[in-house]
Amino acid sequence: DSGVTQTPKHLITATGQRVTLRCSPRSGDLSVYWYQQSLDQGLQFLIHYYNGEERAKGNILERFSAQQFPDLHSELNLSSLELGDSALYFCASSVLAGGIQTQYFGPGTRLLVL
Amino acid sequence: AQKITQTQPGMFVQEKEAVTLDCTYDTSDPSYGLFWYKQPSSGEMIFLIYQGSYDQQNATEGRYSLNFQKARKSANLVISASQLGDSAMYFCAMREEHGSSNTGKLIFGQGTTLQVKP
Repeated sequence: DSGVTQTPKHLITATGQRVTLRCSPRSGDLSVYWYQQSLDQGLQFLIHYYNGEERAKGNILERFSAQQFPDLHSELNLSSLELGDSALYFCASSVLAGGIQTQYFGPGTRLLVL
Repeated sequence: AQKITQTQPGMFVQEKEAVTLDCTYDTSDPSYGLFWYKQPSSGEMIFLIYQGSYDQQNATEGRYSLNFQKARKSANLVISASQLGDSAMYFCAMREEHGSSNTGKLIFGQGTTLQVKP
């Protein structure tokens, strides 16, 4: 158990809908990262938050957004869902933002868009 | 450009034998970290081992060791005394410290599926 929690574990929804994925980092970790794992794209970095502030964006679609709250949990919002958004979404956390920190991953949320 | 290459899509190993999973990387950043993660069929990503670019010795964690050859830009994972529970997908990843965007992101390879035979 990495100490990172993600809910829900599974999500099935329809095209055009909006969903929210939730992540709680390990105790003491200030950085949260979101990744998407799909069969065709592999594991891709989406976005990084540190202590409530957005630090960096990766290949994140405009339909997707995220935030990190004062209690450090984070939410990833996916809207106007398309079939191609079906993937495993991971949250990871590390203590700091800078330097080379080990990122510990949550169990993931498996999203299926029908 | 930053890149991680894992050339072995799938590998088999006999239980109790050692196995090496290959990983090569490309970066122009002098400071970087290399990571290996294990993804069992259940889907979670489990951190295994870390090697810093300035580390003088190869990293080891129990049955896992990292064969780091900086000049060749390779960071192979060696699993000794394979167990049935080692059957999983293994990902090599890199993080640059001073990359052009310094996003903190991990760049992953495509993964290697390892199957341990009894």
